[in-house]
Amino acid sequence: GAGVSQSPRYKVAKRGQDVALRCDPISGHVSLFWYQQALGQGPEFLTYFQNEAQLDKSGLPSDRFFAERPEGSVSTLKIQRTQQEDSAVYLCASTSRTNTEAFFGQGTRLTVV
Amino acid sequence: GNSVTQMEGPVTLSEEAFLTINCTYTATGYPSLFWYVQYPGEGLQLLLKATKADDKGSNKGFEATYRKETTSFHLEKGSVQVSDSAVYFCACTGTASKLTFGTGTRLQVTL
Repeated sequence: GAGVSQSPRYKVAKRGQDVALRCDPISGHVSLFWYQQALGQGPEFLTYFQNEAQLDKSGLPSDRFFAERPEGSVSTLKIQRTQQEDSAVYLCASTSRTNTEAFFGQGTRLTVV
Repeated sequence: GNSVTQMEGPVTLSEEAFLTINCTYTATGYPSLFWYVQYPGEGLQLLLKATKADDKGSNKGFEATYRKETTSFHLEKGSVQVSDSAVYFCACTGTASKLTFGTGTRLQVTL
């Protein structure tokens, strides 16, 4: 596609629900990143894929967070048993093999009530 | 790990005023440095970048110079416009293009 696409744009979840956030990177981009942006803060790294391999998940805040990219294209970030502190904008970015510029999607705003 | 510190906002300027947003970084090795901009209701967009010391990134009248001796990458624009109102994020790369961001600086430009 022309850009990084994320869905849904907005998600309201009741505390304790599971959610799944989708990212469609730019076609052909090898690397994919997930970031979490709390209100009034800068994005913080969650996890990184190169093709289908998850090479770094050091930023995932707890074992309730899980990400996958099974075919090296679309990625899903799953949050189990959501808590209020999970409320944030979740950003996805992709980069090509040789270019360090990251292209960001518009994000998914998750509100846990 | 890497860290980025940028001046807190909001910054409020009149149109055609000079803009400086300070940014300093702490990083191992030789990171690339970036400024991203987030317009209201939109996603993060790359504004400019510099990949090595003394490089100057520039775009849309904005510029920033990679200063290794002061570990800084300050954003400047000579004459801001109302349309420049947005949140600006300074960032640096770590391993594998992973980005570390500052907390963002909100710029409000008034007529």
